[in-house]
Amino acid sequence: DVKVTQSSRYLVKRTGEKVFLECVQDMDHENMFWYRQDPGLGLRLIYFSYDVKMKEKGDIPEGYSVSREKKERFSLILESASTNQTSMYLCASSLSARSQPQHFGDGTRLSIL
Amino acid sequence: ILNVEQSPQSLHVQEGDSTNFTCSFPSSNFYALHWYRWETAKSPEALFVMTLNGDEKKKGRISATLNTKEGYSYLYIKGSQPEDSATYLCAFLLMDSSYKLIFGSGTRLLVRP
Repeated sequence: DVKVTQSSRYLVKRTGEKVFLECVQDMDHENMFWYRQDPGLGLRLIYFSYDVKMKEKGDIPEGYSVSREKKERFSLILESASTNQTSMYLCASSLSARSQPQHFGDGTRLSIL
Repeated sequence: ILNVEQSPQSLHVQEGDSTNFTCSFPSSNFYALHWYRWETAKSPEALFVMTLNGDEKKKGRISATLNTKEGYSYLYIKGSQPEDSATYLCAFLLMDSSYKLIFGSGTRLLVRP
């Protein structure tokens, strides 16, 4: 079974802090994704990575950056956290971004005070 | 703006009832349709990836159909059980997108014992 592990289930940070959300997958998948989920909205893609050091912006990349130094790890960085970044963050990986399902982590519920 | 609509937003049924819900998506430029089940406090789990018009897929008591010409997919649950209680997400992938799934906001199913 594919395992996607997110470093924290719950996180509370302050406005202006730099925040790191970590995601690790154990299936040697090329493709990794970061989403956020807000009430009443579908999952929205923040960033996508198709290989080490390779990334593509999703629909809502503003205020975020990512790092993929190793194939198994994909980090989401909030450069200077703001209250409107309070949300549920989900990481996913897939073998093929087009034809295979995505495998998700349990999510990190992030609150910015 | 491309949109995926899921209906109903929420549904309460009795144990043993059969139920179905709808995912509507733009019919042009279609590549694939994904269904996921997301139970509370767990990670979203892939149910189906469907690509061909007329596709029908089945997993236990859950099945799905796909109509790409008119832009909809139905998810059916036969004899609902309390453990089927979850949010069901659909997402579609455009032909000219290499990776970006567009998610609906989900149908929240509650099965009463």
